[in-house]
Amino acid sequence: DAGVIQSPRHEVTEMGQEVTLRCKPISGHDYLFWYRQTMMRGLELLIYFNNNVPIDDSGMPEDRFSAKMPNASFSTLKIQPSEPRDSAVYFCASRSTGELFFGEGSRLTVL
Amino acid sequence: AQSVTQLDSQVPVFEEAPVELRCNYSSSVSVYLFWYVQYPNQGLQLLLKYLSGSTLVKGINGFEAEFNKSQTSFHLRKPSVHISDTAEYFCAVRPYNQGGKLIFGQGTELSVKP
Repeated sequence: DAGVIQSPRHEVTEMGQEVTLRCKPISGHDYLFWYRQTMMRGLELLIYFNNNVPIDDSGMPEDRFSAKMPNASFSTLKIQPSEPRDSAVYFCASRSTGELFFGEGSRLTVL
Repeated sequence: AQSVTQLDSQVPVFEEAPVELRCNYSSSVSVYLFWYVQYPNQGLQLLLKYLSGSTLVKGINGFEAEFNKSQTSFHLRKPSVHISDTAEYFCAVRPYNQGGKLIFGQGTELSVKP
């Protein structure tokens, strides 16, 4: 299996622009997670899905952030409008009953 | 609510020396415990996990951890480190009753010097 695939790996954008991060989980995994990593706050859980249904979105910072999982093989995290404080590495992870597998992350820089 | 505290943000150590990375947690419910490693510019990889049974857990790359319920600790150890162990290490907990939610500590940067 190719593992969890995230795109883009790097994104540089200007404040106010829309950003869309994409994730393809491992086939057969029924849980999908979005985490954000910064130096100041460490690893924060933003939202997670079970069988494509959002279960807990209490970590989503504010209304500018939204996440969708239209099917079992694809999820998006959207930021609109983006702000400099959104600069971070965003990780997607998936699991079934066992361990959590992480993608390599999307490094976002908002200027 | 749950929280995870990694007591050391940075641990410098010489090659072939032993190392211990400390982790304490707080939870009102029972939890599963994990250690993950993150190499530069990569995602996190599972080192080891405690689900039940023996409190001493062995993982990959020669690491092991011991679950101490009375002290709510899950410290990670390796008897002899290599340069290649230089990375960031994260302790995490998953409550029994909260689906998939994994809560991470702040991380400990292990730096192995020759």
